[in-house]
Amino acid sequence: EPEVTQTPSHQVTQMGQEVILRCVPISNHLYFYWYRQILGQKVEFLVSFYNNEISEKSEIFDDQFSVERPDGSNFTLKIRSTKLEDSAMYFCASSELTTGVQPQHFGDGTRLSIL
Amino acid sequence: AQSVTQLGSHVSVSEGALVLLRCNYSSSVPPYLFWYVQYPNQGLQLLLKYTSAATLVKGINGFEAEFKKSETSFHLTKPSAHMSDAAEYFCAVSGSNTGNQFYFGTGTSLTVIP
Repeated sequence: EPEVTQTPSHQVTQMGQEVILRCVPISNHLYFYWYRQILGQKVEFLVSFYNNEISEKSEIFDDQFSVERPDGSNFTLKIRSTKLEDSAMYFCASSELTTGVQPQHFGDGTRLSIL
Repeated sequence: AQSVTQLGSHVSVSEGALVLLRCNYSSSVPPYLFWYVQYPNQGLQLLLKYTSAATLVKGINGFEAEFKKSETSFHLTKPSAHMSDAAEYFCAVSGSNTGNQFYFGTGTSLTVIP
């Protein structure tokens, strides 16, 4: 069964450094998402992306964050200058472009630890 | 606006007993509802979805959920718990368009006692 893959599984970064989290969505999916889950808290929406542009973003997704689809397969989340509170599990998801609401398929996540 | 509330952050059941995980939703539009399961160190796996068809939805691993509009609920059940069901369960609600963000509940941790 096709799946969403994320790399790396764990990223440790010094505060203030830039970090890029990578995702390969399911190949025929056209909607892409990033969510984060701070330890012990709920999964929170960051951003959705369709047709090479952001379609929706939350208040968490401030100017420090950016997303990009640099080629036909990868979808990346960049945090420009990391803060301690960015430490969380980051999940990528994708969904098909069909009528109605389709389930979002999630990757296994990248655990980001900011020191 | 959409939101979900999961009552009970921790639920413990004996192996073979009924599993009931509660989810209530709030939505200004006809909701689309989902249950996801998260095993340790893994991502979110779709268990089942409600998209305005049948109100009783059957999912994987023997789970099912019933959409009750009058109660704004979408509780997850399984007749007989198995040890392998121990995991974190999340209810989620979405708006009516593909591409809408999912709003997740705070999750319920299920423990199965042998």
